[in-house]
Amino acid sequence: QKEVEQNSGPLSVPEGAIASLNCTYSDRGSQSFFWYRQYSGKSPELIMSIYSNGDKEDGRFTAQLNKASQYVSLLIRDSQPSDSATYLCAETRDNYGQNFVFGPGTRLSVLP
Amino acid sequence: EPEVTQTPSHQVTQMGQEVILRCVPISNHLYFYWYRQILGQKVEFLVSFYNNEISEKSEIFDDQFSVERPDGSNFTLKIRSTKLEDSAMYFCASRGTLLSYNEQFFGPGTRLTVL
Repeated sequence: QKEVEQNSGPLSVPEGAIASLNCTYSDRGSQSFFWYRQYSGKSPELIMSIYSNGDKEDGRFTAQLNKASQYVSLLIRDSQPSDSATYLCAETRDNYGQNFVFGPGTRLSVLP
Repeated sequence: EPEVTQTPSHQVTQMGQEVILRCVPISNHLYFYWYRQILGQKVEFLVSFYNNEISEKSEIFDDQFSVERPDGSNFTLKIRSTKLEDSAMYFCASRGTLLSYNEQFFGPGTRLTVL
């Protein structure tokens, strides 16, 4: 049974700080990893994807992947109150876009 | 910017009734998905669809569920005889081609309430 684990939070950070969100996965065959943001009552919104070990930066967001440790993280720099949401980590095993396995999400609260 | 759309936004039905949830994926996307999210729980995969057939389905997607792409734009999820435990948000997602890797884009969801 493939599992994706995340701390449920809430993770509280002050405005302007760096928020660090972590995710571990059980399937060593996982190939692709994704971070989605989900506001309460809304659908998941894609933030970033990462496929190779190392860092990938996009604006204020940096995703980090370590396949040996089966670990993915998301850093949010200069956190804003509008970043307050639940962040979902997802993985898929193959390169053909079949089903995503989602983690339970980490609730982030950015305090003004 | 193209987006996935879903109708209705909220569906209330009686237990045992049939419901059809509708989705219009992003134009020119080839891969389509249904997920559900029970309130307070994680997003769960139901089914993926490519080239007019199911490519993968989860244990949740039993004989009560079916999917169809009746025309060139719509993608539907049918639940034949709804149960109380089917109450959830249902999300449709679509993905383009291999060039877009695995990125899936989600619609706004349909909230299904079974009474």
